[in-house]
Amino acid sequence: DAKTTQPNSMESNEEEPVHLPCNHSTISGTDYIHWYRQLPSQGPEYVIHGLTSNVNNRMASLAIAEDRKSSTLILHRATLRDAAVYYCILGPYNFNKFYFGSGTKLNVKP
Amino acid sequence: DADVTQTPRNRITKTGKRIMLECSQTKGHDRMYWYRQDPGLGLRLIYYSFDVKDINKGEISDGYSVSRQAQAKFSLSLESAIPNQTALYFCATSDLFSYEQYFGPGTRLTVT
Repeated sequence: DAKTTQPNSMESNEEEPVHLPCNHSTISGTDYIHWYRQLPSQGPEYVIHGLTSNVNNRMASLAIAEDRKSSTLILHRATLRDAAVYYCILGPYNFNKFYFGSGTKLNVKP
Repeated sequence: DADVTQTPRNRITKTGKRIMLECSQTKGHDRMYWYRQDPGLGLRLIYYSFDVKDINKGEISDGYSVSRQAQAKFSLSLESAIPNQTALYFCATSDLFSYEQYFGPGTRLTVT
């Protein structure tokens, strides 16, 4: 099963952009790249997903390397509410193999 | 009201006891999932169900069983609880045509 590698923790200042990296060198051609985040004491919530092209939504942007072996989640202006654990997950569209890994804990400083 | 609810939210039980965790959803989704989370770790998939008649084992199904009573209800049972099943348990749902999973608030289970 394809795995991901993320830094254990990162720190950012409020209102600055944050780039959260994820390496997935064994990604298969059918794996989507999903990002979820888990706020303290809550269940995970969806952030964004992509297959090959860069993606934008109201929460974040996802930049996918041309060879798909890495990706970066971009939060354009971090807020205190963005402090959470961010998970980069590879999986098919139907979630039957959805491995969360340990994620990156993002700390946002005021 | 929350779209995905879990009961109980907290439970302490003794080794060897049978316990059931319940999940209900009002999103009308066909697909439901059970995950467990251990301290400092990510979530691991226990079981998943793509519709009422479809139940599948996930990464760590040993020691657990599930029941899909209706489209909206998916229960997780521990037939004989053991201490290493102490964890945070999450239920999630998804729609056939969406890439997004919706998670419940979690059930904190402690087995003594």
